[in-house]
Amino acid sequence: GENVEQHPSTLSVQEGDSAVIKCTYSDSASNYFPWYKQELGKRPQLIIDIRSNVGEKKDQRIAVTLNKTAKHFSLHITETQPEDSAVYFCAYQYSSASKIIFGSGTRLSIRP
Amino acid sequence: DGGITQSPKYLFRKEGQNVTLSCEQNLNHDAMYWYRQDPGQGLRLIYYSQIVNDFQKGDIAEGYSVSREKKESFPLTVTSAQKNPTAFYLCASSMERGADTQYFGPGTRLTVL
Repeated sequence: GENVEQHPSTLSVQEGDSAVIKCTYSDSASNYFPWYKQELGKRPQLIIDIRSNVGEKKDQRIAVTLNKTAKHFSLHITETQPEDSAVYFCAYQYSSASKIIFGSGTRLSIRP
Repeated sequence: DGGITQSPKYLFRKEGQNVTLSCEQNLNHDAMYWYRQDPGQGLRLIYYSQIVNDFQKGDIAEGYSVSREKKESFPLTVTSAQKNPTAFYLCASSMERGADTQYFGPGTRLTVL
């Protein structure tokens, strides 16, 4: 099917600690996996993406890992800061329909 | 995402009325999309268009209609057949269909009175 499962739905971490969000998808032909951040009342914005020819990609405090065999990918945020508080959506390309399927979102809260 | 705009930001509608939400982009993107977001929920695809004069239904197309007469514009009409239209509507565009970054507009919050 088209669905992507995203866990956890809510996550609270102490400022400075790491946060990990995981997604599992079903389409083995997928080759594009973006992550979006949405602050309250705002538009989703791309924070990082990965294509299937690599297993990991890093951009400062944010990293994404991809395991194509197991069909899951994860977002890692290190040294969390208050401005990281938001809803994060994973997504993947559903190849047969050439569209992006979004996860249900993870609400990340950073405790001071 | 600065090159994709939506209007209005807030829209109020009486039951039984059709309303049209505007989406314009100056990014020269081929593909455009409409999503619906309910409070605390994810993004659900309403319609998408990969090229001018062509569009496809998404997962929740019932009660909605679109047109793509120009590359830059992809308006969404919420018809009276949509029974629960109150939601946050997001438009997006990408250079190509599928495996390409989608850039979102600021959204329109529709409330049915």
